[in-house]
Amino acid sequence: QSVVTQPPSASGSPGQRVTISCSGGSTNIGSNSVSWYQQLPGTAPKLLIYSTDQRPSGIPDRFSGSKSGTSASLAISGLRSEDEADYYCAAWDNSLSGLAWVFGGGTKLTVL
Amino acid sequence: QLQLQESGPGLVKPSETLSLTCTVSGGSITNTNDYWGWIRQPPGKGLEWIGSVYYRGNTYYNPSLKSRVAISIDTSRNQFSLKLNSVTAADTAVYSCAKGFSGSSSFDFWGQGTLVTVSS
Repeated sequence: QSVVTQPPSASGSPGQRVTISCSGGSTNIGSNSVSWYQQLPGTAPKLLIYSTDQRPSGIPDRFSGSKSGTSASLAISGLRSEDEADYYCAAWDNSLSGLAWVFGGGTKLTVL
Repeated sequence: QLQLQESGPGLVKPSETLSLTCTVSGGSITNTNDYWGWIRQPPGKGLEWIGSVYYRGNTYYNPSLKSRVAISIDTSRNQFSLKLNSVTAADTAVYSCAKGFSGSSSFDFWGQGTLVTVSS
């Protein structure tokens, strides 16, 4: 059971906008920036969003990130078939156990 | 372009030690703002951070694995390594190495991953 939770699945039709949520706590999302990763089937994860709302070069502006309190969100607009993948959020966690990275459980996005 | 490549045995016996090495090419492992991490993914499951190391040797480990994990860095070879002892079938996973960047608090480059199976 991860300390950062995501819905296991999400779906949308081509052209639609979908949002994937990531819920954490005061020791992780509430006090640190969030990153998002896209994992296409059989491939390594790819950085989509860093520092909560920044896109690396080469990532289309259809992908955007935001945060409010202890929750973060990834929005994908103009959904395309190639967006069908698993999406993970992550953040540093400053708990009593020490400093550690935590990943959300992942959300499988289906493009209908 | 930075590249990371994992190497090591694909099969480890229960109770033994899993050892993997990540070779970094196209860049230096000694950049001050970079850190290096191991992440694993059991078949059909999500990502789990194992631990990270900075080039000066500072390490951070997943509390749930801390008693069994050691990550080290070899700046002369531009490599960092993972050792996980007393493995069980639950440690069967794709193990990936990745570069983290302090300025962005993210893992911005990943290796392709290597499947390690724990079985007798």
